[in-house]
Amino acid sequence: RKEVEQDPGPFNVPEGATVAFNCTYSNSASQSFFWYRQDCRKEPKLLMSVYSSGNEDGRFTAQLNRASQYISLLIRDSKLSDSATYLCVVTGSSNTGKLIFGQGTTLQVKP
Amino acid sequence: GAGVSQSPSNKVTEKGKDVELRCDPISGHTALYWYRQSLGQGLEFLIYFQGNSAPDKSGLPSDRFSAERTGGSVSTLTIQRTQQEDSAVYLCASSLPEPEQYFGPGTRLTVT
Repeated sequence: RKEVEQDPGPFNVPEGATVAFNCTYSNSASQSFFWYRQDCRKEPKLLMSVYSSGNEDGRFTAQLNRASQYISLLIRDSKLSDSATYLCVVTGSSNTGKLIFGQGTTLQVKP
Repeated sequence: GAGVSQSPSNKVTEKGKDVELRCDPISGHTALYWYRQSLGQGLEFLIYFQGNSAPDKSGLPSDRFSAERTGGSVSTLTIQRTQQEDSAVYLCASSLPEPEQYFGPGTRLTVT
């Protein structure tokens, strides 16, 4: 079983749609959680950290359910520029050290 | 401010040759990480440096891979006797050491 699992997609949605991505992780001791965005042939860029209380940044909302070991990302009012691969990322038992990446979910927003 | 920089951006080498990849972390960041991403694959952790502590080498795939970090700043990843399966994008990241890591643009290594 992979440490971080995501539906690879692709998710093809029209502009303006709301889309949700989910992710599960296997290590119950993981302490920090993130969504990164990766454009084709580019490096991953931090999109947002994910907190147990849930957090929102503009059109993006992230949720964490520690009991179910489940992380979600909701994108409202999708833009063409949101097309990318979204990586679910967790730390290990220590809050520093390596990041463990999911395989990524590909989003394609179409006009 | 300046982000993480890596050089070279692209490297083509023949099988069996040694290569060195360089990473300059964000100024003031104490932690430095190397990952690699093979075509169509997720990111794979290689090695982690934190201050003067012994590095976490648990992700290095074989003894052909090694890395150094001099003066707590610049790092070099060395791959000896390269093999075709070493072809990948090698990404360096740094952090404060708070858990958020910031990535450089990567070195695309092609072994022919």
